[in-house]
Amino acid sequence: KAGVTQTPRYLIKTRGQQVTLSCSPISGHRSVSWYQQTPGQGLQFLFEYFSETQRNKGNFPGRFSGRQFSNSRSEMNVSTLELGDSALYLCASSAGLAGAAGELFFGEGSRLTVL
Amino acid sequence: QKEVEQDPGPLSVPEGAIVSLNCTYSNSAFQYFMWYRQYSRKGPELLMYTYSSGNKEDGRFTAQVDKSSKYISLFIRDSQPSDSATYLCAMSGANQGGKLIFGQGTELSVKP
Repeated sequence: KAGVTQTPRYLIKTRGQQVTLSCSPISGHRSVSWYQQTPGQGLQFLFEYFSETQRNKGNFPGRFSGRQFSNSRSEMNVSTLELGDSALYLCASSAGLAGAAGELFFGEGSRLTVL
Repeated sequence: QKEVEQDPGPLSVPEGAIVSLNCTYSNSAFQYFMWYRQYSRKGPELLMYTYSSGNKEDGRFTAQVDKSSKYISLFIRDSQPSDSATYLCAMSGANQGGKLIFGQGTELSVKP
């Protein structure tokens, strides 16, 4: 069974630009969560999508957005990039069972550098 | 104060040692407790998943949860150089789906 696939793996942008990251979950998984990982703040929850609907949202500004498609693939977008957005962005998928914390399976991440 | 506190280390032990990793938390609503392992340049992988208080064992790994003390632990027996990685605790309340609160991670190095 293929794991979670994230693209691109590495990218460099400049301040003010926008970026779109893509995530393909494990086949059959309907929930996709996004996390930001930095040395200072660790892993922080961005948002979760389940059946094309945002189910949970973390404490990030509106410049961070996401969406999920009918095939469960997800994208996240960051607009007006700031230096502080440099981070590893991780996508995780789960079966998304209601009422329980999902056993999350993470991809290898997209490493974003903002210059 | 962070909801989940974890000593970032680094922690260095000789091969064969017993390793103890710990996290404390402040939110009494947490019901699900997890340990993830993250190798350099990789995504985290789930090691242990526990619901509520108690112990869970899987091979060389034992997870303990003490909700009364808001304290969780991961023990690694007979540690191996391949165990060298960053270990992250994570927690969640009911109905939170994919929203986990992570500790800062403890960097572990097992020396041959």
